[in-house]
Amino acid sequence: GQQVMQIPQYQHVQEGEDFTTYCNSSTTLSNIQWYKQRPGGHPVFLIQLVKSGEVKKQKRLTFQFGEAKKNSSLHITATQTTDVGTYFCAGRDSGAGSYQLTFGKGTKLSVIP
Amino acid sequence: GAVVSQHPSRVICKSGTSVKIECRSLDFQATTMFWYRQFPKQSLMLMATSNEGSKATYEQGVEKDKFLINHASLTLSTLTVTSAHPEDSSFYICSATGDAILGGGSPLHFGNGTRLTVT
Repeated sequence: GQQVMQIPQYQHVQEGEDFTTYCNSSTTLSNIQWYKQRPGGHPVFLIQLVKSGEVKKQKRLTFQFGEAKKNSSLHITATQTTDVGTYFCAGRDSGAGSYQLTFGKGTKLSVIP
Repeated sequence: GAVVSQHPSRVICKSGTSVKIECRSLDFQATTMFWYRQFPKQSLMLMATSNEGSKATYEQGVEKDKFLINHASLTLSTLTVTSAHPEDSSFYICSATGDAILGGGSPLHFGNGTRLTVT
């Protein structure tokens, strides 16, 4: 079945440093979504990427979808303590009839003030 | 934005009893709802997918007789953990989307989760 790998599992950064998490799928995706889960909270939708090579920005967050639609990345510029949490990617297989999302294991971000 | 309400947020029950968890979409019609289990410091493990009016689709390794799912309306899905045991203790989260089963693209909206402790 489809597998979604996400690295790194943990990342500790000094406030102000940049942060990147990477997501790789074993199969071609129709789209990929990113979620953020704050400590003690539930996942919250951040963004969806659909097109090959797509790049989207949300303030300090930059999301990319690979040309082959099998990988994606989330980059945070100049991290702040409010960025703390676990970031999950979730990919939807492009196969016919596929509708469910497969989540990566997440990257837990800690920001040292 | 879309809101999903999950209740209860915490429940403690004795071994052998059953627990029902509710997941409601408050301001949209949830064609599809998903139930997950999340272990400490781990990712979301999809347990089952439910579509309104039809039987839930369970992931491999998930006992359908133990984790009963009912999606009776477009705004409510329930997960019942039957004959709970300590190993069932976990964080259970539901999510909902307005996508039809073969649709795609809409984000998932998550409930706040239920912390189940079985003593």
